[in-house]
This record gives sequence, C-alpha cells and structure tokens, in this order.
Amino acid sequence: KQEVTQIPAALSVPEGENLVLNCSFTDSAIYNLQWFRQDPGKGLTSLLLIQSSQREQTSGRLNASLDKSSGRSTLYIAASQPGDSATYLCAVDTGANSKLTFGKGITLSVRP
Amino acid sequence: NAGVTQTPKFQVLKTGQSMTLQCAQDMNHEYMSWYRQDPGMGLRLIHYSVGAGITDQGEVPNGYNVSRSTTEDFPLRLLSAAPSQTSVYFCASAGTGNTEAFFGQGTRLTVV
Repeated sequence: KQEVTQIPAALSVPEGENLVLNCSFTDSAIYNLQWFRQDPGKGLTSLLLIQSSQREQTSGRLNASLDKSSGRSTLYIAASQPGDSATYLCAVDTGANSKLTFGKGITLSVRP
Repeated sequence: NAGVTQTPKFQVLKTGQSMTLQCAQDMNHEYMSWYRQDPGMGLRLIHYSVGAGITDQGEVPNGYNVSRSTTEDFPLRLLSAAPSQTSVYFCASAGTGNTEAFFGQGTRLTVV
C-alpha cells in the first residue's frame, strides 16, 4: 500500500526565506506526483504536476523535483511571502487513473 | 469555466438521515473521485470513476454509494448518516493522459 509522508507538519519562517518542503512515498512505481495548496476552509489548488519521466517542474517562484528511485519529492519556494501561508499537500498517482494518495500536508506560516 | 462544482457547501444532518452530495464538472474529464478530509488523517479516497457507468471503491467506501450516469456528474450518497461521517468532502476530476486533478471547494458535513 502506498504511503505518503510530509514532515514537518508545520513550519514558520520569516518573509524572504527560500523554503524546501519535503514529501516521501513508499512505492516508487508512480505515474505522477502533484503538489497542491490549500487555504483554510477552501478547496485544493493544483500547483505543479510532475510526471514519472520528469525530474522537475517550475512555475514562477515554485520548483518541484522528483526522485522516483529514492521515493522523494521537494517543493522549493523562492523568496517566501506572507501570501504563501497555507497548507501544502503532495499526492501520488500509482494507477494512471487519478486515484491519489495524499500526505497529511505541511502548514506553512510566513511571518512579515 | 466553472471547473468542479460541489453543492451544498455546508450541511447538517441528523443521525440516520440520508442525503446526496452533488458534484459536476464541465471539463469533459473521464476520471472523477470523492475524498474526505479529517483532521490528522489527511485526504482519503471514498469512491472513484473512470468513466460513465464505471465506479469502484476507494480506501473508505463504507456508508457511501455512488453512480455515474453522465460524464459531467458524480453524486455521492450517504445512505444512513452517522456521526463518524462528519467531515469535509471533496470531489475531484481529471482527464486521461497523466494530467492534473482539479478539486471542488468542498462540502462541510456535520452529523449530529
């Protein structure tokens, strides 16, 4: 059974820091990995999708990397801002049918 | 584009009542799924569908029923609500071909 872990559960940093959020998974036979953002009381917003054949994806200040063999992904946030405060979730698709297994998320607080 | 639309946004039920959570998507996606999100548990898959007329169980299907008669709609039925079903429910959709998943804004359900 696929298990996805995100540690730590919460993180507080001052504005301007560059951040790395980690995600690990137990079964390396994945089709893709997706990073989401969730604001309190809201739905999930897709940030980046990395397909199994890719090593990284970039969108603005965000960069996500994938190392399938070691079962790890990282989300890099450059020059963090208070507006980046949210919960960040990673999810893996092991069946190519969008049945996602989620980590429990990292709640990020960026202090002004 | 409306994306994935869930109704209602909030609902309070008494134990033993039944109800249907609605989910509709306008992106012509084949894959649709339902998740529940509970504190400390993360998001867990309830049921999913790979196309009209095809559904299957996820990790936590007991007490829930689904059907998919059209590509656009994927309702989730609670047959006899229990306090353990108090949760936030999210519907998601994705296209074929290893693409990103899109989520609705969620339904917050309380069973008393």
